Amino acid sequence: DAGVTQSPTHLIKTRGQQVTLRCSPISGHKSVSWYQQVLGQGPQFIFQYYEKEERGRGNFPDRFSARQFPNYSSELNVNALLLGDSALYLCASSLVDNYRDEQFFGPGTRLTVL
Amino acid sequence: QKEVEQNSGPLSVPEGAIASLNCTYSDRGSQSFFWYRQYSGKSPELIMFIYSNGDKEDGRFTAQLNKASQYVSLLIRDSQPSDSATYLCAVLRRSGYALNFGKGTSLLVTP
Repeated sequence: DAGVTQSPTHLIKTRGQQVTLRCSPISGHKSVSWYQQVLGQGPQFIFQYYEKEERGRGNFPDRFSARQFPNYSSELNVNALLLGDSALYLCASSLVDNYRDEQFFGPGTRLTVL
Repeated sequence: QKEVEQNSGPLSVPEGAIASLNCTYSDRGSQSFFWYRQYSGKSPELIMFIYSNGDKEDGRFTAQLNKASQYVSLLIRDSQPSDSATYLCAVLRRSGYALNFGKGTSLLVTP
């Protein structure tokens, strides 16, 4: 079975630009979460979507937004990019959203902001 | 106080030895605990999860949970050079959807 897929793999943008990252969950999984990982740190939670509804949001500015589509794929948008947004952006999928549910990560999108 | 704390390491163990990785958490209401392995330049890979107090074994890996002490550990038996990676401890928040990660412990297994 295919795992979580993300696109693009790498992305280079300049300050002030906007970026859209895409994620397709494992087949049958209905929940998608987004995390940001900067070098030397653990991933930080950005959003979770379940059945196309936002279930939670981490401590990120409104420049970050996301949505989930009827096929459970998801997009993360970041507007007005800052140098500090340079990071590995990870998408994780899970079957449902209860506390016993494991989250499986995709390969990530590495974003560099110049 | 950070919500999830891990010793950043590096932890160096010889091949064939037992590697012991530790994690403490601050939210007493946390319900689920996960260990991820992350190779340099790659994404985290789930290797163990535990919900109940005690030990859980899967192959060479054993996860241990002590909710009273707010402590989770991962033991890797018969460590191999291929186990060299950063190990991330993750705790599912009381809300039930967001994983809270530690900074990770770097493990180096020397031949």
